[in-house]
Amino acid sequence: EPEVTQTPSHQVTQMGQEVILRCVPISNHLYFYWYRQILGQKVEFLVSFYNNEISEKSEIFDDQFSVERPDGSNFTLKIRSTKLEDSAMYFCASSQGAYYGYTFGSGTRLTVV
Amino acid sequence: QQQVKQSPQSLIVQKGGIPIINCAYENTAFDYFPWYQQFPGKGPALLIAIRPDVSEKKEGRFTISFNKSAKQFSLHIMDSQPGDSATYFCAARKRSQGGSEKLVFGKGTKLTVNP
Repeated sequence: EPEVTQTPSHQVTQMGQEVILRCVPISNHLYFYWYRQILGQKVEFLVSFYNNEISEKSEIFDDQFSVERPDGSNFTLKIRSTKLEDSAMYFCASSQGAYYGYTFGSGTRLTVV
Repeated sequence: QQQVKQSPQSLIVQKGGIPIINCAYENTAFDYFPWYQQFPGKGPALLIAIRPDVSEKKEGRFTISFNKSAKQFSLHIMDSQPGDSATYFCAARKRSQGGSEKLVFGKGTKLTVNP
């Protein structure tokens, strides 16, 4: 079964450093998403991406965050200057579109120290 | 209005029992209601989903009941097994006028099925 692949599985970074989380969505999917889950809490929407541009973003997704699909296969989330409260599991997801379920990756656990 | 309220927070049943997890929403713009199963250290995996024009959907041992007028939906797991022990999230999809969409998740229910 096709999978969404995320790397790295765990990233530890110092506060103020930049991090890039990487995702390879399912190849025929057109819609891409980043969600995050703070430990023990619900999954929260960050951003959706379609046709090479952001289609919607949440209030969490401030100027410190950016997304990119640099080469037609990878989908990245960059956090420019990490804060302690950015520590969470970050999930990438992709979808074929309306009325199709999302496929989530296994996540990247980001720990900011 | 954007919230999806999920209960209970945790649930313990014996093998063979029928756990029921409930969710409620307010926003009538939600148009698709999936349930996700999450094991520790893994991403949410789509379990079953329903559209609001259907009152019930069954896939294997998993059934969604949907009450559009009450804005409630629930997940039933028949003949539950220890391998069903996981966290279950209900979600609702909202599509914006521009065509973008996002999932709003409930807070999750940690299910434990004892042997």
